Amino acid sequence: QKEVEQNSGPLSVPEGAIASLNCTYSDRGSQSFFWYRQYSGKSPELIMFIYSNGDKEDGRFTAQLNKASQYVSLLIRDSQPSDSATYLCAVIAAGNKLTFGGGTRVLVKP
Amino acid sequence: SQTIHQWPATLVQPVGSPLSLECTVEGTSNPNLYWYRQAAGRGLQLLFYSVGIGQISSEVPQNLSASRPQDRQFILSSKKLLLSDSGFYLCAFRGTYEQYFGPGTRLTVT
Repeated sequence: QKEVEQNSGPLSVPEGAIASLNCTYSDRGSQSFFWYRQYSGKSPELIMFIYSNGDKEDGRFTAQLNKASQYVSLLIRDSQPSDSATYLCAVIAAGNKLTFGGGTRVLVKP
Repeated sequence: SQTIHQWPATLVQPVGSPLSLECTVEGTSNPNLYWYRQAAGRGLQLLFYSVGIGQISSEVPQNLSASRPQDRQFILSSKKLLLSDSGFYLCAFRGTYEQYFGPGTRLTVT
């Protein structure tokens, strides 16, 4: 079992709709969770972090964390073509290492 | 503010040739630094990390090495490149818990 798992996609979303991305992790002791966006050919950029159970909103992005079920999700509201990218989930688990999932590719269609 | 630089941006090298990639960070002192590799269509693989000058931890056995000669400089090297060394090499520094990536070096070994 991979430490951090994401559906590779592509997740195809019409412009203006909500994109919902999921990530599960195996280490129950994980405490910190991050979402990165990576455009093709570019390096990942941090868009959200969440440490506590519940929702955290930042603009059109909402991160949701459920430690009991060991999943973290990212919602992108009012999706735009510029949101088309690969979204990487990352988790700090035992040993204080940041472990990345394989990423979910999102395609927003005009 | 903190910034991170990597060079070169792209590199094409023949099999068996040496490699030296450089990463420098500005606006912070004694940062934790990381080298990752991302193969085409794959996730991020942590190669090395450093918590201080001369302190290097290796995550994956391979023909690469890393050095940290100065507080804000991190170098990735190889004596003889393999075809399998091709990929996108990313340097990162750690903030509070999150990591911030440099622009990356795309290496093609021919």
